[in-house]
Amino acid sequence: AQSVSQHNHHVILSEAASLELGCNYSYGGTVNLFWYVQYPGQHLQLLLKYFSGDPLVKGIKGFEAEFIKSKFSFNLRKPSVQWSDTAEYFCAVNAGNAGNMLTFGGGTRLMVKP
Amino acid sequence: DAGITQSPRYKITETGRQVTLMCHQTWSHSYMFWYRQDLGHGLRLIYYSAAADITDKGEVPDGYVVSRSKTENFPLTLESATRSQTSVYFCASSEPLRGGIQETQYFGPGTRLLVL
Repeated sequence: AQSVSQHNHHVILSEAASLELGCNYSYGGTVNLFWYVQYPGQHLQLLLKYFSGDPLVKGIKGFEAEFIKSKFSFNLRKPSVQWSDTAEYFCAVNAGNAGNMLTFGGGTRLMVKP
Repeated sequence: DAGITQSPRYKITETGRQVTLMCHQTWSHSYMFWYRQDLGHGLRLIYYSAAADITDKGEVPDGYVVSRSKTENFPLTLESATRSQTSVYFCASSEPLRGGIQETQYFGPGTRLLVL
């Protein structure tokens, strides 16, 4: 079964700092990749997704992620974070052999200090 | 309003009791999912359903039962609740793209369950 690893469990940044959250997965075949965000007290919302094409994907609120197939990675980035980005971020993978199931990483809690 | 709703939002129960968490979606999505969210584990899939009357186990199905008699509803039942089932439960739905490619899953607001 595939697995998804998010290396940083907790990240604390000051406003305007740059952000990069790591995500690695274990499946070697075709994958669809997602980043979801969960703001405090809210449900999960889609930030961005990659199915095919340009490996640099742009999402909402200035987030982007880069799919690097050779590294099995799909890292999330934002050049300048805001206090409102404080949330938990989840990477998720749908592997080609997993039907419509998603495997989620353990999540990264981001706190942005004003 | 259209969307995906869950009820109750909060539930306290006792060990051994049966509890049913409800999930309702108005998009007529084919697929529905139940996840539990626990600190350090992210979201783990409990059960999912590809269509009415079709359900299948996910990563952590033990102690749970699901049914899907109608496309829009996907209740999750804890037949005899245990303390280890204290968690936040999320329901989600999606509609696969042509060719079966996974499309975005849309999540409900969650149910916080405490088993004493």
